[in-house]
Parts: sequence; C-alpha cells; structure tokens
Amino acid sequence: EIVLTQSPATLSLSPGERATLSCRASQGVSSYLAWYQQKPGQAPRLLIYDASNRATGIPARFSGSGPGTDFTLTISSLEPEDFAVYYCQQRSNWSITFGQGTRLEIK
Amino acid sequence: EVQLVESGGGLVQPGRSLRLSCTASGFTFGDYAMSWVRQAPGKGLEWVGFIRSKAYGGTTEYAASVKGRFTISRDDSKSIAYLQMNSLKTEDTAVYYCTRDGYYDILTGFPEAFDIWGQGTMVTVSS
Repeated sequence: EIVLTQSPATLSLSPGERATLSCRASQGVSSYLAWYQQKPGQAPRLLIYDASNRATGIPARFSGSGPGTDFTLTISSLEPEDFAVYYCQQRSNWSITFGQGTRLEIK
Repeated sequence: EVQLVESGGGLVQPGRSLRLSCTASGFTFGDYAMSWVRQAPGKGLEWVGFIRSKAYGGTTEYAASVKGRFTISRDDSKSIAYLQMNSLKTEDTAVYYCTRDGYYDILTGFPEAFDIWGQGTMVTVSS
C-alpha cells in the first residue's frame, strides 16, 4: 500500500499570504494525485485532480504540481474561507489512500 | 443540482449489520462509478470501496480493512448505491460518505478522484 505523508501537520498563515502544502508518496504514483479541502462539519471538496488540474468551480489561486513522489498544493493568496484541513489522495493498483491532512490555520 | 444524500446510519452493536443508502440526483447515475469513504471521529479519510458502472461490468473493489465484511451494490433504476456492512467492529465507527467517481481510469474504471460528496451519515458501533 502506498503511504502519503503530508507536511507540515499544521500551517499558520495570515490572509493574503502564500500557502505551500506538501504531499510525499512512498512510491511513484505518476500523476494520479488529488487534493481536497475539508471544513469543520462538512464533507471534503475536490480541489485538484491528476496532480495539477483544477476541479470545476475552483478558484485560480489554487494550483497543484507533480508528478512522481513529491506533490505540492499552492494557494497563491489566502482568503479567509481557505482556512481548513487539506488532504491529498492517490490511486494505485486497486487501492486508494489519503494523506493524514494538513491543517491550515489563521495566524 | 447534483446531489448525493446518505441515509441509514445509527447506533449498532458489535457483530451486527447495517445497510447505508446513497440517493443520487441531478446526473445520470448509471454513467458513474460510486465509492464510499469514511472518517472516524477526529481522524482522516479512509477509502472503503467502490462499484463500477455497468459499462465496466458493475464490479466492486474494497479496502483490505473491510473486504469480506462490507458489500457495495447499486440500483441504477432508483439512482441508489448501497453499503451493506456485516460483522461490524468498534473500529468501523465513522462518518460514511458516498462519493461520485468523477475522474477514473478509462481502461479499468478505477476511480482517480471523487468530485461529488454526500453530507455523510454517522455509524456508531458500540455495545
């Protein structure tokens, strides 16, 4: 099973700043990596699929990079509504795993 | 509006069974594979399993933690996906989300990303 390790566990930033979230895979996953945002009491929301493609309705300030084993989600200029938990997710041979999450909090 | 609504959660004793339902609306249900993802209280996300669309044979795949105990099925005529959970354990306690597999491997139908999520239904396994 491929393990995804997200860093940092918690990221404290202010609105307007740039956020960089990391997701490292224990093996190469090509470009089969997605990012989700989850706010308290809500279901996750798909942000990025195939490492760098924004999902429908996702603002341009969200971008993703890969492929391989090291992936990054970048939020270019944080808005108040961006403070949430972010998960990466990969699919490999008949298995799907998620990272443990990065909590993005207001500084 | 594209929507998924889960139902059937609740409190159940260890070793018992429970069936969750996921009712879809706003899209052609039969065209999509559907997955279940769960989240234990205060924890991260865990994929449970999925069912392919009929175009890919309607077959299923499961996470190792639930294989042999959980079964996913679908009724395309009613736009409903089901998660039958047997031999429940306390570690199955979680919010269970139904998802649409909007992005998938064209050759195998295996999901790559989940583009629509339901609001979730809580399952508590406790004596």
